[in-house]
Amino acid sequence: AQKVTQAQTEISVVEKEDVTLDCVYETRDTTYYLFWYKQPPSGELVFLIRRNSFDEQNEISGRYSWNFQKSTSSFNFTITASQVVDSAVYFCALSESRFNKFYFGSGTKLNVKP
Amino acid sequence: DSGVTQTPKHLITATGQRVTLRCSPRSGDLSVYWYQQSLDQGLQFLIQYYNGEERAKGNILERFSAQQFPDLHSELNLSSLELGDSALYFCASSLTDRGLAGQDTQYFGPGTRLTVL
Repeated sequence: AQKVTQAQTEISVVEKEDVTLDCVYETRDTTYYLFWYKQPPSGELVFLIRRNSFDEQNEISGRYSWNFQKSTSSFNFTITASQVVDSAVYFCALSESRFNKFYFGSGTKLNVKP
Repeated sequence: DSGVTQTPKHLITATGQRVTLRCSPRSGDLSVYWYQQSLDQGLQFLIQYYNGEERAKGNILERFSAQQFPDLHSELNLSSLELGDSALYFCASSLTDRGLAGQDTQYFGPGTRLTVL
């Protein structure tokens, strides 16, 4: 079974639209961490956010916001008023503290058209 | 810019050959992690070193090996290369050895794109 599922393979939006990238995870660990990374066309992986399993508060950073819901094992990422520069592949990842394991999802490719 | 550097940026070689990928972690970071990103397998963890010692192993083939030197830079050696080894290889670093466990953040380098012909 997949530890991290990003069901949306590719999403296309027009600039200024809001877009939500879904991430569902599976773990038996009680202490775990969730991450989002961005991979722009240039190829590097850019760290966006890290949340631990005990902190369910939503987080906002500029146009980016994250919604962590333990009840549905989801950690969704919303970009408000998308811009062309947001075009990238976005990866959700899970760390299992007890097992010292790190898993990436398969990624969601976001295309923002002008 | 994460502060992690990787060389070379691109590498083209033939099947059966051996290559070495190099990584310098962020200043002060003691852990280095290697990942492989391929179209069919996605992003997979290969191996971790912390302060010169191997700490964790993932899906690393026996043909692959790594080491971390006293100055903390790391090298990933890939030998007897096959077409399927073509991929983007990332190095990441963190201050502590808890990056896989999530208690520290891994910062990634720009990657080395390996093409095996």
